[in-house]
Amino acid sequence: DAKTTQPNSMESNEEEPVHLPCNHSTISGTDYIHWYRQLPSQGPEYVIHGLTSNVNNRMASLAIAEDRKSSTLILHRATLRDAAVYYCILREGSSNTGKLIFGQGTTLQVKP
Amino acid sequence: DTGVSQDPRHKITKRGQNVTFRCDPISEHNRLYWYRQTLGQGPEFLTYFQNEAQLEKSRLLSDRFSAERPKGSFSTLEIQRTEQGDSAMYLCASSLYPGQEFFGPGTRLTVL
Repeated sequence: DAKTTQPNSMESNEEEPVHLPCNHSTISGTDYIHWYRQLPSQGPEYVIHGLTSNVNNRMASLAIAEDRKSSTLILHRATLRDAAVYYCILREGSSNTGKLIFGQGTTLQVKP
Repeated sequence: DTGVSQDPRHKITKRGQNVTFRCDPISEHNRLYWYRQTLGQGPEFLTYFQNEAQLEKSRLLSDRFSAERPKGSFSTLEIQRTEQGDSAMYLCASSLYPGQEFFGPGTRLTVL
């Protein structure tokens, strides 16, 4: 399973943008990049995913490097409710299972 | 609330006892997953169902673990002869599309 590397923790101020980086240098051509987050005492929550092009949705934006070896999750205005562990996950596009292989994730702290 | 429910939310048992957890997915979702999460770690994939068929099992799923999804609706995860190392959060997720999983709140198991 392809591996991702994320910083253990990051801090942000409330109402400022947050850029969460992820390195995935061994990504293959059919791997999708998924981001999930897990708030305290809850199950993980889908945030966004992409293959090659940048993606936007109501929660966040995903910027994918041209060589696909890295990506960045962008929260446009952090709120206190965005404090969570953020997981960057590579999912094999060739597999029908859809299982997710989670790493350690990045713990995001948001300061008021 | 994602629409995925799990029961019970907490379970305390003594070593050697059997326990069973239930997951009710979102009704139209044909994919169902079980994950296990220990403190400070990301969730680990255990098994995957498509409708009633169990299509993939992780090596983590020893022969003391069994999962079923009769009629492709709810699912159960049973652990026989529990050990202290089984203490963890057991998460269920369902989806229509690979990689876009909706997680339940989890069942926290404590084995004394």
